[in-house]
Amino acid sequence: AQKITQTQPGMFVQEKEAVTLDCTYDTSDPSYGLFWYKQPSSGEMIFLIYQGSYDQQNATEGRYSLNFQKARKSANLVISASQLGDSAMYFCAMREHNYGGSQGNLIFGKGTKLSVKP
Amino acid sequence: GAVVSQHPSWVICKSGTSVKIECRSLDFQATTMFWYRQFPKQSLMLMATSNEGSKATYEQGVEKDKFLINHASLTLSTLTVTSAHPEDSSFYICSASLAGDSYNEQFFGPGTRLTVL
Repeated sequence: AQKITQTQPGMFVQEKEAVTLDCTYDTSDPSYGLFWYKQPSSGEMIFLIYQGSYDQQNATEGRYSLNFQKARKSANLVISASQLGDSAMYFCAMREHNYGGSQGNLIFGKGTKLSVKP
Repeated sequence: GAVVSQHPSWVICKSGTSVKIECRSLDFQATTMFWYRQFPKQSLMLMATSNEGSKATYEQGVEKDKFLINHASLTLSTLTVTSAHPEDSSFYICSASLAGDSYNEQFFGPGTRLTVL
């Protein structure tokens, strides 16, 4: 079973509008972290936002917010006031708990290609 | 902020040759570095986890004798693709985590695009 599911291969949004990118996850670990990354055509992975499984409030970073619904195991990314520069691939990722000081690896979804229309 | 560099950013090589890719954490120490591979229009797939001073842990299906990883210091990990073949052509990305950071954020390098002719 997939650990991270992104059901939208591609999305279009009008400039200045908000858009939600879906992400659901599957884990039995009570301690985990959820990440969103942006990958423009240049290939670099740009960290956007992080949500810890024990965080009570939804994470926000500027125009990015994470709609964390723990019971539903969803962690949707909301981008407000879309800009042309937001056009890119967006990956949701999860890291399960930290084993004895070593860093747990990230598991990525398949990504959503966002296109912002002028 | 934490910066990770990769060198080279792109490389073209002949089939059968070996290619070394470097991953450096420029302004922080990283006890753990990760190597990912990304084929066109696909997601990042973890190849191996590299811990400073110890052998790398490879994911299932990744040949450790083909993809040699060395993590000799807290700021440098190298990936050597030995006897490269066209099917090894891909985008290779490394990431590094801050030593002792409970937040566990991974900082990614800019990637290396490998083309094997």
